[in-house]
Amino acid sequence: DTGVSQDPRHKITKRGQNVTFRCDPISEHNRLYWYRQTLGQGPEFLTYFQNEAQLEKSRLLSDRFSAERPKGSFSTLEIQRTEQGDSAMYLCASSPLGEWDSSYEQYFGPGTRLTVT
Amino acid sequence: GEDVEQSLFLSVREGDSSVINCTYTDSSSTYLYWYKQEPGAGLQLLTYIFSNMDMKQDQRLTVLLNKKDKHLSLRIADTQTGDSAIYFCAETPGDYKLSFGAGTTVTVRA
Repeated sequence: DTGVSQDPRHKITKRGQNVTFRCDPISEHNRLYWYRQTLGQGPEFLTYFQNEAQLEKSRLLSDRFSAERPKGSFSTLEIQRTEQGDSAMYLCASSPLGEWDSSYEQYFGPGTRLTVT
Repeated sequence: GEDVEQSLFLSVREGDSSVINCTYTDSSSTYLYWYKQEPGAGLQLLTYIFSNMDMKQDQRLTVLLNKKDKHLSLRIADTQTGDSAIYFCAETPGDYKLSFGAGTTVTVRA
């Protein structure tokens, strides 16, 4: 399967614990995005990377959240001191870099569902 | 971001056409998108339209764009049970990030 993959698919944690999610983009896709989706809502943008550089962060990304893409391939999203309000589906997407329409095509992974108890 | 607005539900008979409507806010959006999400799954890119076009057709899917009214629609011809899902409209308010509506739940009845 050459699509975007995310790990784990589900995570249950207690309030106050730290969690880390991983995203592997489609091979050779330079751009990688993180979104958060709560029940009954559309995804909300969190942050994005072009290669290893984090180019934009939403104000939704509090200081408890940190994302990295150290080698320009996979990315991790860490949430420290989780709160119940962090419960959501965390979606990763990737897109190629280029001048053509295809650079605007974002392909999503299956998501990581986080439940904070 | 809920600046993109969609009706929440649509029920359609199998074999009929479905039309899902969306209004967006950012007139500078370069592309406008339609994604499909099935239960428990991620989002599947269905189609998208460049902002200088007013129509795009792709097999059973037709996208219409009215830039003056900031209105986007997705028509699905010959709707099938496999088309039951949540459909999201999205705009590009800046750089490459997407801003989604809340989604339209389409139910196909026999």
